[in-house]
Amino acid sequence: GQNIDQPTEMTATEGAIVQINCTYQTSGFNGLFWYQQHAGEAPTFLSYNVLDGLEEKGRFSSFLSRSKGYSYLLLKELQMKDSASYLCAVRDSNYQLIWGAGTKLIIKP
Amino acid sequence: ETGVTQTPRHLVMGMTNKKSLKCEQHLGHNAMYWYKQSAKKPLELMFVYSLEERVENNSVPSRFSPECPNSSHLFLHLHTLQPEDSALYLCASSQDIGSGANVLTFGAGSRLTVL
Repeated sequence: GQNIDQPTEMTATEGAIVQINCTYQTSGFNGLFWYQQHAGEAPTFLSYNVLDGLEEKGRFSSFLSRSKGYSYLLLKELQMKDSASYLCAVRDSNYQLIWGAGTKLIIKP
Repeated sequence: ETGVTQTPRHLVMGMTNKKSLKCEQHLGHNAMYWYKQSAKKPLELMFVYSLEERVENNSVPSRFSPECPNSSHLFLHLHTLQPEDSALYLCASSQDIGSGANVLTFGAGSRLTVL
């Protein structure tokens, strides 16, 4: 079967750096997505990786290793507003999106 | 305010009621989706429409009935639901289905409680 694993919950301190990992086993690979979802709000797109390596976008970076079935989302200079759930999703060979259950990130002052 | 609007935001219904969820997108996208989001579980894809044609129906019970009258509007008609259907129902749209980045734009969801 197809599976996406990510930690259920993480806690970090304001101003620090946090890395949220995502591992996947899917039937083929056609890209990996990260979305952010604040409580009671719509998920919003953060990043898309289809080739190995690091994609940087301001304070957020996303890394992909296709050979390891592994990605991480790196958040720097954490702010209180970064408290949210972070969803990892992989598009398989049929272009279906397979979703992880999300990682709830709690930022403490 | 996202480009995808869902109404109502909250809905409480009995198991014998009939209600509908509405989704509208103002982005000119060709594809629209219904997802179910339950606590601590992955998003579950329910239905996909591309240019008003249903292209995906993921073994969803018949008590959920989608309708896509045009590429900007999507409905989810609900009848004789069960308490386990209580969840957040998310609508999303994308430029097309399939290849490329094909980023989804989500609405804020309709929180459904079935008593």
